Amino acid sequence: EVQLVESGGGLVQPGRSLRLSCAASGFTFDDYAIHWVRQTPGKGLEWVSGISWNSGRIDYADSVKGRFSISRDNAKNSLYLQMNNLRPEDTAFYYCVRASGMATTFTWFDPWGQGTLVTVSS
Amino acid sequence: DIQMTQSPSSLSASTGDRVTITCRASQGISNYLAWYQQKPGKVPKVLIYAASTLQSGVPSRFSGSGSGTDFTLTISSLQPEDVATYYCQQYNSAPLAFGGGTKVEIK
Repeated sequence: EVQLVESGGGLVQPGRSLRLSCAASGFTFDDYAIHWVRQTPGKGLEWVSGISWNSGRIDYADSVKGRFSISRDNAKNSLYLQMNNLRPEDTAFYYCVRASGMATTFTWFDPWGQGTLVTVSS
Repeated sequence: DIQMTQSPSSLSASTGDRVTITCRASQGISNYLAWYQQKPGKVPKVLIYAASTLQSGVPSRFSGSGSGTDFTLTISSLQPEDVATYYCQQYNSAPLAFGGGTKVEIK
């Protein structure tokens, strides 16, 4: 069974940093691109960042560019999101999502992890 | 950047009704369009990809159509278990983008 398990969320003050992790299992991790998607409670979905199978292609939403950094460790079947200079508007559930193929584009999202909540507040 | 516009933002229909949701891309995306269903309290799951290909296990009452900039998700006969929010997503080019969502309720 394909599983994506996020961790690292919590309450953090504005301007501080947080690192999210995603542990993958049940599939060959380095055969797929992986993304982070966030959702403010009760609101819509926002794509945050994506990384190709070999880290050769990395993309970010304009809203997080320069503050967030995505990375992966294929030896550990893990995905990370380093979030710096956090803002209240970054408050959301963050989902780790597998792409349907190796590339960050031309591939849809399936499946989704259960998410981890990040709350940015003083 | 490509913007995705969904309509309506919400709808209420009776069991058995035919329901149609539309999604418009601000520029052409060929058929690189997916539809996701998010039931209350659950994570999203893919229903349709490549604009019209039904994901394995998804009931055949769901269908998708369109290409270029205009797309449609149709539920041929609405069922109580279809209560959810539906999102379209373009995966043609970065930054990837979702529509604002359509909340479907039973009348």
